[in-house]
Amino acid sequence: KAGVTQTPRYLIKTRGQQVTLSCSPISGHRSVSWYQQTPGQGLQFLFEYFSETQRNKGNFPGRFSGRQFSNSRSEMNVSTLELGDSALYLCASSFGDRGVYNEQFFGPGTRLTVL
Amino acid sequence: AQSVTQPDIHITVSEGASLELRCNYSYGATPYLFWYVQSPGQGLQLLLKYFSGDTLVQGIKGFEAEFKRSQSSFNLRKPSVHWSDAAEYFCAVYGDDKIIFGKGTRLHILP
Repeated sequence: KAGVTQTPRYLIKTRGQQVTLSCSPISGHRSVSWYQQTPGQGLQFLFEYFSETQRNKGNFPGRFSGRQFSNSRSEMNVSTLELGDSALYLCASSFGDRGVYNEQFFGPGTRLTVL
Repeated sequence: AQSVTQPDIHITVSEGASLELRCNYSYGATPYLFWYVQSPGQGLQLLLKYFSGDTLVQGIKGFEAEFKRSQSSFNLRKPSVHWSDAAEYFCAVYGDDKIIFGKGTRLHILP
């Protein structure tokens, strides 16, 4: 069974641009969560989706948004990029609702660099 | 609001030695606790979790953790480390519909 895939793996953008990251969960998984990992702030929860509905959202500005499609694939978008958005963005999928209660399987992440 | 503290940023142990990684949490109610491992260039992998019941939890790769409510701790242990255990370890607490991670402990293994 294929694991969680994230595309692209690496991305370089400039300030003010926007970016879209993609996550394909493990087949049959319906919950997708997104996390931001930086050296300074560590791992921070962004949002969680289940059956195309956002269930939870972390403390991030409105520039960070996401969505989930009917096939459970998810995208996250960051608009008006800032230097501080440079990070590793991790996606995790799980089978059932309330993703964090179920084992989450993480993808390798997308490394975003903002210049 | 909940919080997680991992006091040790780096720990170095010799291969074959025992290991204990510390984790302290702050949360008003019964916490849901996790330990994850992240190897270089990889995503996170769940080692073990505690929701309720037996306070000594067994995980994968020979790891275990003990929940101690009186000390607000959830320390990770392994009796004998292998070179492949070199990685970064994250403790996390879930509550109030969100998960909070500690800043991580990087484990180095001496041959």
